[in-house]
Amino acid sequence: GAGVSQSPSNKVTEKGKDVELRCDPISGHTALYWYRQSLGQGLEFLIYFQGNSAPDKSGLPSDRFSAERTGGSVSTLTIQRTQQEDSAVYLCASSRSPLRTDTQYFGPGTRLTVL
Amino acid sequence: AQSVTQLDSHVSVSEGTPVLLRCNYSSSYSPSLFWYVQHPNKGLQLLLKYTSAATLVKGINGFEAEFKKSETSFHLTKPSAHMSDAAEYFCVVSVAGGGADGLTFGKGTHLIIQP
Repeated sequence: GAGVSQSPSNKVTEKGKDVELRCDPISGHTALYWYRQSLGQGLEFLIYFQGNSAPDKSGLPSDRFSAERTGGSVSTLTIQRTQQEDSAVYLCASSRSPLRTDTQYFGPGTRLTVL
Repeated sequence: AQSVTQLDSHVSVSEGTPVLLRCNYSSSYSPSLFWYVQHPNKGLQLLLKYTSAATLVKGINGFEAEFKKSETSFHLTKPSAHMSDAAEYFCVVSVAGGGADGLTFGKGTHLIIQP
């Protein structure tokens, strides 16, 4: 079956512009996660959704970052007024449930470059 | 809160020799532990996971890991390295059901295979 998909695969933007990153989870997976992978920082958890709600947003690095999920499926991560330090690979993952025993399946990521 | 320490940032072995990637964790609760692999320009792929069943866990591609509670370790091993094993490996701990404390990644170990 289809895995987690993300779009775009690459995004180059200018400092100060807004960007939207999209994640399509595996069908039927109720939990969805966003991570950021940057050089020197490793993999950083950003936010997770159970259904359409995000119980904990404290992983988001600043108030320029927001995310939503509609219909318990597709999620978008929005970064407003992008800065150069936002350059990273943004990874999305989904799992059947948020239980710690459930495997998270990762998408290929969106590589964001802020000039 | 939990944490993961991958003791080596780089490991280099010759093809056909054993692989050992070390991981120590700390957690206040009974954790689930995972190893993920990331090949260049590819997404994260689950190698194996421990979820409080058998302490010796077998994964894909001949990898296995042993959960040792007394040593708080979850080292990844493979008897004989193959060139295709060259990649970045992440040790991951999951405690709560999702949320900001739910999933913590180690910094990664870059595995180099010498011909």
